Amino acid sequence: KAGVTQTPRYLIKTRGQQVTLSCSPISGHRSVSWYQQTPGQGLQFLFEYFSETQRNKGNFPGRFSGRQFSNSRSEMNVSTLELGDSALYLCASSSQGANYGYTFGSGTRLTVV
Amino acid sequence: GQQLNQSPQSMFIQEGEDVSMNCTSSSIFNTWLWYKQDPGEGPVLLIALYKAGELTSNGRLTAQFGITRKDSFLNISASIPSDVGIYFCAGQAGANSKLTFGKGITLSVRP
Repeated sequence: KAGVTQTPRYLIKTRGQQVTLSCSPISGHRSVSWYQQTPGQGLQFLFEYFSETQRNKGNFPGRFSGRQFSNSRSEMNVSTLELGDSALYLCASSSQGANYGYTFGSGTRLTVV
Repeated sequence: GQQLNQSPQSMFIQEGEDVSMNCTSSSIFNTWLWYKQDPGEGPVLLIALYKAGELTSNGRLTAQFGITRKDSFLNISASIPSDVGIYFCAGQAGANSKLTFGKGITLSVRP
């Protein structure tokens, strides 16, 4: 079965712009989580959606938002981009939640210039 | 908040050697997971642990869930070049709570 698909793989944006990243989970998976990965901070949790509802939220500013659609696909939006937002953004899906082990996508590499 | 501690940041071993990695926390976790990340890819689940004291193997990998529920270790035996990568531990406190990751250990294997 197809894995977790994230698009696009690479993105370059200018400071102040906004960006939307997409994640298609494994078929049948209802939980989608987003992480920001940077060399200094490791994987930082952004938020988790389960059946279109935000179930958990990390400690990121309101510029970071997400949503999940009825087909479980999820999008993440970052508004007013800052240089420090440059990172690998990873999406992970699970059938029930982390207790069953997340499957990660390959990520979207965002560079803010 | 919850934090998972992994150290050292990097480890260098010779091919064929065994290596052990530790992950500790000041908080209790009910699930421990170990992931490996290759360059340019997302982390891949290696082993999942659900019960305190549990010892689980996956090929040359063995992991244990500490009895205090505040630590876990991963052991890789007879290392090979493809074991190179970043190894993350992750913990979950409750059934629907988020997954918290350690900062990872970068493993290098010298042929």
